[in-house]
Amino acid sequence: RKEVEQDPGPFNVPEGATVAFNCTYSNSASQSFFWYRQDCRKEPKLLMSVYSSGNEDGRFTAQLNRASQYISLLIRDSKLSDSATYLCVVRKGSNYQLIWGAGTKLIIKP
Amino acid sequence: GAGVSQSPRYKVAKRGQDVALRCDPISGHVSLFWYQQALGQGPEFLTYFQNEAQLDKSGLPSDRFFAERPEGSVSTLKIQRTQQEDSAVYLCASSLGVAGGISNQPQHFGDGTRLSIL
Repeated sequence: RKEVEQDPGPFNVPEGATVAFNCTYSNSASQSFFWYRQDCRKEPKLLMSVYSSGNEDGRFTAQLNRASQYISLLIRDSKLSDSATYLCVVRKGSNYQLIWGAGTKLIIKP
Repeated sequence: GAGVSQSPRYKVAKRGQDVALRCDPISGHVSLFWYQQALGQGPEFLTYFQNEAQLDKSGLPSDRFFAERPEGSVSTLKIQRTQQEDSAVYLCASSLGVAGGISNQPQHFGDGTRLSIL
């Protein structure tokens, strides 16, 4: 079983809709959580960190559920430019190594 | 430019050849990471440098992989006697300070080198 698991998708969503996807992690010692975005044939870019109390950045909301060991990302009022692969990333304790999920592909359709 | 720069962007090599991939991190960044990303997968950690010191090479798949950062800035990832399973995108990332600890410093990625072994 992978340490970080995501539904690969693709999620096909009409423009303007709300979409949410989850990521589960297996190591309870995980301390830091992130969502990265990766466009086709491009490098990953940090979308947002995920905090215990949940956090919001514009149309994006991230939630962490430590008890169930999952992280979620909610995108409201989706735009065509939101089409990308969203990678869930976990860091264990003070270790610098990032453990990456395989990503969830999102396609926003006009 | 101000970002992480990697070269070449694409590399095609015959099985058995040696390749060298270059990473030019953001100026002044202490930490440098190499990752390998196979098609349809997330990046997998290869190695970590703090300045010129290679503190962790636990992710290197075999002794055919070697990385260096002799002056604490530019880094080179070398793969000897390439195999087809080495085909992947190799990503380099840098961050400003010492990685780990309580700090959640973001890692800034280069565009990657897409390596194809024939």
